[in-house]
Amino acid sequence: DIHMTQSPSSLSASLGDRVTITCQASEDISTYISWYQKKPGKAPKLLIYGVSTLEAGVPSRFSGSGSGTDFSFTINSLQPEDVATYYCQQYDGLPYTFGQGTKLHIK
Amino acid sequence: QVQLVQSGAVVKKPGSSVKISCQVSGGSFGKSAINWVRQAPGHGLEWLGRIIPFIGSSNFPRRFQGRVTITADKSTTTAYMKLSGLTSNDTAVYYCARLMGVRTTNPEGALDWGPGTQLSVSS
Repeated sequence: DIHMTQSPSSLSASLGDRVTITCQASEDISTYISWYQKKPGKAPKLLIYGVSTLEAGVPSRFSGSGSGTDFSFTINSLQPEDVATYYCQQYDGLPYTFGQGTKLHIK
Repeated sequence: QVQLVQSGAVVKKPGSSVKISCQVSGGSFGKSAINWVRQAPGHGLEWLGRIIPFIGSSNFPRRFQGRVTITADKSTTTAYMKLSGLTSNDTAVYYCARLMGVRTTNPEGALDWGPGTQLSVSS
């Protein structure tokens, strides 16, 4: 199984800050990675697929980069509504696997 | 607009089984896989398996082989996930979802999640 190591596990930042989360795959997954936003009591929301393609309606302050085994997810200019837990997920092969999650707080 | 509608919250006893449904409305049902993902309290997201309704083919992680059964009824556009041998560790919110397909470049239809079904396992 492909293991996704996500860091940090939690993150505190100020409104307007730039925030970056990383995800490292245990083997080459090319560009087959998605990023999700998860808020309590809500279903996960797909933000990005294919490393950097924004899902329709997702604000442009969200972005992704990387390839192979090392990936990053960035929020430019953090907003109050961005408080959530973020997950990466690989779809290079089955079983699909997720990172452990990054809980984002506002300072 | 595609909607995934799941069955309601359920309480089960240890050792029993549960079957959760996910009805797909407003879109095609068949060629796109329906996946099942869960989140236990204080834990992250965990993929339980998927089915491609058109061919009835399903896949599961090794750790769930023999405990998870996923089926689909094309006539009612509904997918089902049955989990057997329940323990308290299975207490979680269970989601059905359309995810990016293995090594695909473009989404195979709308990528949506159901609202989740709370399963509580308690004696």
